[in-house]
Amino acid sequence: ETGVTQSPTHLIKTRGQQVTLRCSSQSGHNTVSWYQQALGQGPQFIFQYYREEENGRGNFPPRFSGLQFPNYSSELNVNALELDDSALYLCASSFGGGAGTDTQYFGPGTRLTVL
Amino acid sequence: AQSVTQLDSHVSVSEGTPVLLRCNYSSSYSPSLFWYVQHPNKGLQLLLKYTSAATLVKGINGFEAEFKKSETSFHLTKPSAHMSDAAEYFCVVSEGSGATNKLIFGTGTLLAVQP
Repeated sequence: ETGVTQSPTHLIKTRGQQVTLRCSSQSGHNTVSWYQQALGQGPQFIFQYYREEENGRGNFPPRFSGLQFPNYSSELNVNALELDDSALYLCASSFGGGAGTDTQYFGPGTRLTVL
Repeated sequence: AQSVTQLDSHVSVSEGTPVLLRCNYSSSYSPSLFWYVQHPNKGLQLLLKYTSAATLVKGINGFEAEFKKSETSFHLTKPSAHMSDAAEYFCVVSEGSGATNKLIFGTGTLLAVQP
């Protein structure tokens, strides 16, 4: 069974640029969630995709957008990067959409640095 | 709205002594609660979860947590600390609304294990 994978591992961008982060979900999972973890803080929910549709969003501006593909892999896109976007971006996969009992399994994350 | 409060930002123990990481939750209904661990520069690993079955939950690596509704607590314990337990621990509540399974993280407790 393959776990959750993310790419790239590290990324450095400058303010105003755009970035795409990628996530492959665990085998058999149809739900992907994205979280932002700033240094020294707990992860914050960005949004969730279930069967290729966004089915929930946290308190993040529209320049944070995403996609989920038919194989349930996912992308997180961030436009017009700001310095405060520097963080560890975590992807988590699960099965079952919105059930609160579902366990989310996390990937190793992508460390984004915005200069 | 659901929330969790981790009562200690740092805990230091000696190897072989018990570990206690404290977490209180706030929820308007029976919550799903989780403990995740994050080792330096790594993603999040699930230690254990509570989903309204047995109130004493056993997890991996000798950790366990007890759900106490009367105290709104979900403290994490381990009888004997090992050096490899040094990491950041997050108490998490799931805000599953039927459409979205959103995890809400505490601010984390950094566990140091002294030799």
